Amino acid sequence: QLQLQESGPGLVKPSETLSLTCTVSGDSVTTSNNHWGWIRQPPGKGLEYIGSFSYSGNTYYNPTLTSRVTISVDTSKNQFSLRLTSLTAADTAVYYCARHFDDYSLPRYSDYWGQGTLVTVSS
Amino acid sequence: DIVMTQSPDSLAVSLGERATINCKSSQSVLHSPNNKNYLAWYQQKPGQPPKLLIHWASTRESGVPDRFSGSGSGTDFTLTISSLQAEDVAVYYCQEYISALLTFGGGTKVEIK
Repeated sequence: QLQLQESGPGLVKPSETLSLTCTVSGDSVTTSNNHWGWIRQPPGKGLEYIGSFSYSGNTYYNPTLTSRVTISVDTSKNQFSLRLTSLTAADTAVYYCARHFDDYSLPRYSDYWGQGTLVTVSS
Repeated sequence: DIVMTQSPDSLAVSLGERATINCKSSQSVLHSPNNKNYLAWYQQKPGQPPKLLIHWASTRESGVPDRFSGSGSGTDFTLTISSLQAEDVAVYYCQEYISALLTFGGGTKVEIK
């Protein structure tokens, strides 16, 4: 059974950098027919795609966040990570990691999600 | 950018009755080469992550009860719960995945009347 688990700080100061890790079990982040990515949800609001990667070498970021986002992978630990810089209160959200179905080498719908981790940006 | 608009924002339906949620995309999500609609529906219960219900606009994910069905093509889509059960109380989101933004609709909250 595929499981994803987010980990990282729950509170980050404005202007600082957020680092989150997603640990995958039941599948490998190196399989070429999936993408692995991040989606966030501000409290009481809707869902926003942040970005994703496939081990075949393709990485995609939401254009509204691309200047501040980096997604990386650690195959030895079967983990992938999110780095988001220059945080503001608007980045306060539940951050989910997810597996995306691959179609034409692009990320599509998300069939597995982590439980999510709340990140609050506040001094 | 594709904008996904859901309606209504919320609805209250009696147990056993039909619930209908609409989703409209600002551009067609029908991919002509494979004739597939790049549209998914998710269910999110309080304190839980979204759960994939339907992809390709009408294909139910494994394990999803058959009271959930998706229909539509191009820019107009519908999620129907044929006989609402208490466990279906949730917020439902549509998502386009034909673009690189994987944009979600604003959500529809379903409650029991």
